[in-house]
Amino acid sequence: ETGVTQSPTHLIKTRGQQVTLRCSSQSGHNTVSWYQQALGQGPQFIFQYYREEENGRGNFPPRFSGLQFPNYSSELNVNALELDDSALYLCASSSQGTDTQYFGPGTRLTVL
Amino acid sequence: AQSVTQLDSQVPVFEEAPVELRCNYSSSVSVYLFWYVQYPNQGLQLLLKYLSGSTLVKGINGFEAEFNKSQTSFHLRKPSVHISDTAEYFCAVSGASGGSYIPTFGRGTSLIVHP
Repeated sequence: ETGVTQSPTHLIKTRGQQVTLRCSSQSGHNTVSWYQQALGQGPQFIFQYYREEENGRGNFPPRFSGLQFPNYSSELNVNALELDDSALYLCASSSQGTDTQYFGPGTRLTVL
Repeated sequence: AQSVTQLDSQVPVFEEAPVELRCNYSSSVSVYLFWYVQYPNQGLQLLLKYLSGSTLVKGINGFEAEFNKSQTSFHLRKPSVHISDTAEYFCAVSGASGGSYIPTFGRGTSLIVHP
């Protein structure tokens, strides 16, 4: 069974740029959630995708957007990057209606 | 809405000593409770979860937690820690209905095990 994978591992961008992060969900899972984890903080929920549609959103501005593909993999896009967007971005997959999410290793984004 | 408070930001302990990491939650609905561990530069790994039934939950790596509804707590314990337990530990709560089960995380407790 393949776990959740994310790419890239690390990324450095400058303020104002755009970034795309990718996630492959665990085999058999149809739901993907994205989290932002700032340094020294717990993960904060960004949004969740199920059947290629957004299925819940946290308190993040519209410049955070996402996609889910037919194979249940997902992308997180962030436009107009700000310094405060520097964080570890975590992807988690699950089966819709089940209680547990399984996390990937994360993408460390640094905005200069 | 749910919230989680992890009362200790850092817990130093000597190897082979017992440890308790504290977690309190608030919610207006029935909840599921989770503990995750995060090793340096890695994602989160599920340690254990409480869904229903027995209030004492056993997880991986010798950890256990006890759900106390009256005190709205879900403290994590281990009777004897190892150096390898040094990591960040996160308590999380989600609603027990609705289907999406999106967890709300605490700020984390850094467990530091000294030799």
